[in-house]
Amino acid sequence: AQSVTQLDSQVPVFEEAPVELRCNYSSSVSVYLFWYVQYPNQGLQLLLKYLSGSTLVESINGFEAEFNKSQTSFHLRKPSVHISDTAEYFCAVSDQDFGNEKLTFGTGTRLTIIP
Amino acid sequence: GAGVSQSPSNKVTEKGKDVELRCDPISGHTALYWYRQSLGQGLEFLIYFQGNSAPDKSGLPSDRFSAERTGGSVSTLTIQRTQQEDSAVYLCASSLGQGKQPQHFGDGTRLSIL
Repeated sequence: AQSVTQLDSQVPVFEEAPVELRCNYSSSVSVYLFWYVQYPNQGLQLLLKYLSGSTLVESINGFEAEFNKSQTSFHLRKPSVHISDTAEYFCAVSDQDFGNEKLTFGTGTRLTIIP
Repeated sequence: GAGVSQSPSNKVTEKGKDVELRCDPISGHTALYWYRQSLGQGLEFLIYFQGNSAPDKSGLPSDRFSAERTGGSVSTLTIQRTQQEDSAVYLCASSLGQGKQPQHFGDGTRLSIL
């Protein structure tokens, strides 16, 4: 069984300040790791993913996350946030099982950017 | 369209009625997933399809819930004798199903049981 913990349910940040959204996971098998973003009244959009290789992964809009196997973490960071980053962010894992890639999600972190 | 399409976007029904939720995956995506998003439970996996078969139904909360997929494309999630606790947003996602492929989500169906 897998589980994902997002300790911060809400994170307020001033515009242009840095932010870190924390994600820790627990699994008895190797996993793939994802961050999804959900804007109001919309579905989930993939922000970035770790499958293998470099432990640092980046998105096109300035977010990055680093896979740390020893700490079982996959924290999301951005050096300078913008108003448009206001959304809910979900960390998720799936088994490295070819085929069934069902996702186990954390409870989400609501990021609010303060002008 | 290019993305996952779900209908209806909103559904309000009375307790005890049956409802059907539809998902049109991205063309060519063989894997299809249903999830439920509710205030109390967060995002939960319901069922996984590979083609027309469902090798993993472990997330369906009760026998009132069922789903099918035809032609390796459209999927329908059916909830019979709806209860108030079924109120949630039901999300569908699809992927190429070849391992390491991310899932693409629809905008969901918001189901409200009166």
